[in-house]
Amino acid sequence: DTGVSQDPRHKITKRGQNVTFRCDPISEHNRLYWYRQTLGQGPEFLTYFQNEAQLEKSRLLSDRFSAERPKGSFSTLEIQRTEQGDSAMYLCASSRSGGAADTQYFGPGTRLTVL
Amino acid sequence: AQKVTQAQTEISVVEKEDVTLDCVYETRDTTYYLFWYKQPPSGELVFLIRRNSFDEQNEISGRYSWNFQKSTSSFNFTITASQVVDSAVYFCALSSGSARQLTFGSGTQLTVLP
Repeated sequence: DTGVSQDPRHKITKRGQNVTFRCDPISEHNRLYWYRQTLGQGPEFLTYFQNEAQLEKSRLLSDRFSAERPKGSFSTLEIQRTEQGDSAMYLCASSRSGGAADTQYFGPGTRLTVL
Repeated sequence: AQKVTQAQTEISVVEKEDVTLDCVYETRDTTYYLFWYKQPPSGELVFLIRRNSFDEQNEISGRYSWNFQKSTSSFNFTITASQVVDSAVYFCALSSGSARQLTFGSGTQLTVLP
């Protein structure tokens, strides 16, 4: 299988701008997750999709964040009115449901820098 | 609430030494899953192993071994005869109950010196 891909790999933006990231999961994986990782920390969960339905959102996902997975394939994560505190690595993972817990496979991440 | 603690922030060893990375978890659920991931300097998280709460058998895979002990809520990871390529940040993670997301520890930076 081709692994999880994310685009872009790096994004530099000015405070107040909107940014959008894309994630393409492993084909046939019906679950897709977004995480955020800041320097020196482990990834923190943001949101989760099963097919096109967004089933869970973390309290970390403020109103400025929105995620979609319109056809149950790729997903986008948009951040509106970016703030310097949004600077982080945004990781996408996918898994295939079929048991009580799936193994999540991660993409290379999108590193966001907000100036 | 779920929590994963990796008390070792950084470990440095010389090549060929054995090294153990500690992981302690907290959950109120009786069904849960534990994971280890490796994050090399390139940044991509690489899946290493998954264990469920009902299977306390230790596992060995090549130079890697895992020791799962429910009595102490620990899931430790040992690398035998470490190599420079093992240098990375290693994360322990937990998924429990009906939650699908992973709760990660803060990671252990392992540096293997030649």
